[in-house]
Order: sequence, then structure tokens, then C-alpha cells
Amino acid sequence: QSVLTQPPSVSGAPGQRVTISCTGSSSNIGAAYDVHWYQQLPGTAPKLLIYRNNYRPSGVPDRFSGSKSGTSASLAISGLQAEDEADYYCQSYDSSLSAYVFGTGTEVTVL
Amino acid sequence: QVQLQESAPGLVKPSQTLSLTCTVSGGFISSGGYYWNWIRQVPGKGLEWIGYINYSGSTYYNPSLKSRVTMSVDTSNNQFSLKLTSVTAADTAIYYCARGGGGVVTARRFDYWGQGTLVTVSS
Repeated sequence: QSVLTQPPSVSGAPGQRVTISCTGSSSNIGAAYDVHWYQQLPGTAPKLLIYRNNYRPSGVPDRFSGSKSGTSASLAISGLQAEDEADYYCQSYDSSLSAYVFGTGTEVTVL
Repeated sequence: QVQLQESAPGLVKPSQTLSLTCTVSGGFISSGGYYWNWIRQVPGKGLEWIGYINYSGSTYYNPSLKSRVTMSVDTSNNQFSLKLTSVTAADTAIYYCARGGGGVVTARRFDYWGQGTLVTVSS
């Protein structure tokens, strides 16, 4: 039921900037519904990283930023660090499915 | 700091009912303003939202699972529960409880999560 598509993996060297895309449709992101992002470290529960497209919860470093345009959203990680190795998921609401939906997930590797 | 903790049933036989409870601490379900969710993840795979319940017992289920899902809330013990009937191997997953917030239905996100509990469906 993954109607939000993400690249399976992205990688970068320490200090570099990486971006993760989240592509949806007119029934979710394109309908102006908010996009949220989660970080899932190995063996742990997801953690809210970005909410309402571009807001960071307290305690999340400003190296993480979000944006949205049309039917897509993006998560950017600048100054990549080893501790950023994790799976990242986008999430929104889909009016056709009448359900909250998650992206397919992206594994970030720090080279 | 809000914390959520799932119960741990572990193993469920095919065709039986999966039952889970989530205990909330650091905040009260009865205070309102939030929605209490169940989300699952097949190990190594993506996340699937199952549904939510609020403090008054109003529910909203994922249509793909609606026919098999029942959620309930026990505000006196600050807990909420999930029942999933007629389980098959496809229901084997890590089940998370999570607090949902964010106002309107289309803006909600999951800001606090339990650690998750692995439920295996096998005879």
C-alpha cells in the first residue's frame, strides 16, 4: 500500500549533503496534505524528524530540513554524520485510500 | 515526556485473534487532543498504519484492515488496545503503538512511539 515512492538507498561521505525524495500523487501530497518524515535507527522504533513539511521537533538538529512542491517532498541532510545511518520514511494522508500512508523507505549509508 | 509500551503476546496461531495493549505514561489519554494509533512493520519492510482511537472511543481504521480490526480505550488505566481477527502469516510484523497529533485529520503525524513488539503468526 506504499503510494509514496522513495529511492531505496542514498549514500554520501561524512560532511556531504544528501537528499531523499518522496513522490506522491494528487490524492496525497498533491492535495496539499502535510508531509512528515521519520528516522528509524537499526533495531529501534521510528522517530519523528520533520513535521508539517519543514518543521523540526525540539532536539532535532538543524542539519535536517524538509521541503514540498507539487506532488513531491524532499528531506535534506547536510553535514552528514555517521550517526545519520538509518532508514528514513515520509508520511502523509491519502484521500483515495482514506488512510495515513508511509513512503517505501530510504536507507542512508555514510561512506 | 510521553512514553508508550506495547504488551508482548509473541506467538499467535493462524485464524486466531491477535490482541495487544499499549500503556501510556507521562501523559493522560483522557486529556484529549491526541489520537492513539497502531502501526505495523513487517521486519525489513515498510510501515503500515492500522488505525486510531481517541479518548472518547471514536475510531478510524485503515479500510484495508477495517473488517478485522477493533480498537478500544481504557482511560482509567491509561491504556488502549488492538484486536485483529482471523490472522494469517501475512500479519506477522512488529506492532507499534504511537501518539498522533497535529489537528486536522489530513495533517496528523506520529510524535511518540512505543518500542514495538514482534508478533509472529504460526502454528
